[in-house]
Amino acid sequence: DVKVTQSSRYLVKRTGEKVFLECVQDMDHENMFWYRQDPGLGLRLIYFSYDVKMKEKGDIPEGYSVSREKKERFSLILESASTNQTSMYLCASRLTAGYTFGSGTRLTVV
Amino acid sequence: AQSVTQPDIHITVSEGASLELRCNYSYGATPYLFWYVQSPGQGLQLLLKYFSGDTLVQGIKGFEAEFKRSQSSFNLRKPSVHWSDAAEYFCAVGDGGSQGNLIFGKGTKLSVKP
Repeated sequence: DVKVTQSSRYLVKRTGEKVFLECVQDMDHENMFWYRQDPGLGLRLIYFSYDVKMKEKGDIPEGYSVSREKKERFSLILESASTNQTSMYLCASRLTAGYTFGSGTRLTVV
Repeated sequence: AQSVTQPDIHITVSEGASLELRCNYSYGATPYLFWYVQSPGQGLQLLLKYFSGDTLVQGIKGFEAEFKRSQSSFNLRKPSVHWSDAAEYFCAVGDGGSQGNLIFGKGTKLSVKP
């Protein structure tokens, strides 16, 4: 089975900090995705990537950036964390149809 | 634009009762449809998917879903709910075919009464 690993389950960061959320998949998938999940809003796509060094904006990219230097790793970067970025962050990867998700990182910005 | 609607935000059923979670989609072509489940504090797990063929799809954990093109629906069912089925359920449609991004509904939270 494909495994998607998010490095942290829980993070607490201070306002203004630069935050890195890491995601690694072990099945050579080309497509990777970052979502944030908030109550009542469902999953919203932040960024996705179809290949190494390629990235595309999703529905809510403001305040975020991404990095994909290697195929297996897709990092989400909060350049200057703010309290409205407190959320659950979910990474996913895909080879064909359907996604495989990581367990999520619950980020709290104080 | 493609969209997915899950009309029920929260459903409570008794253990052993049957379950149906509703999903309606808006998509011009043949849709690729998915149901995911999310246990508290976890990521999403794929329950089942529909691409083509038989409109009744079997998934894991005893779930099934039926694609009804005339109603633009893909409802999830289970004949007898177990307490461990308490979770949030998300319906999704593939945007642009099998390689397209997924568009998710806002989810239905299922509670199970003993």
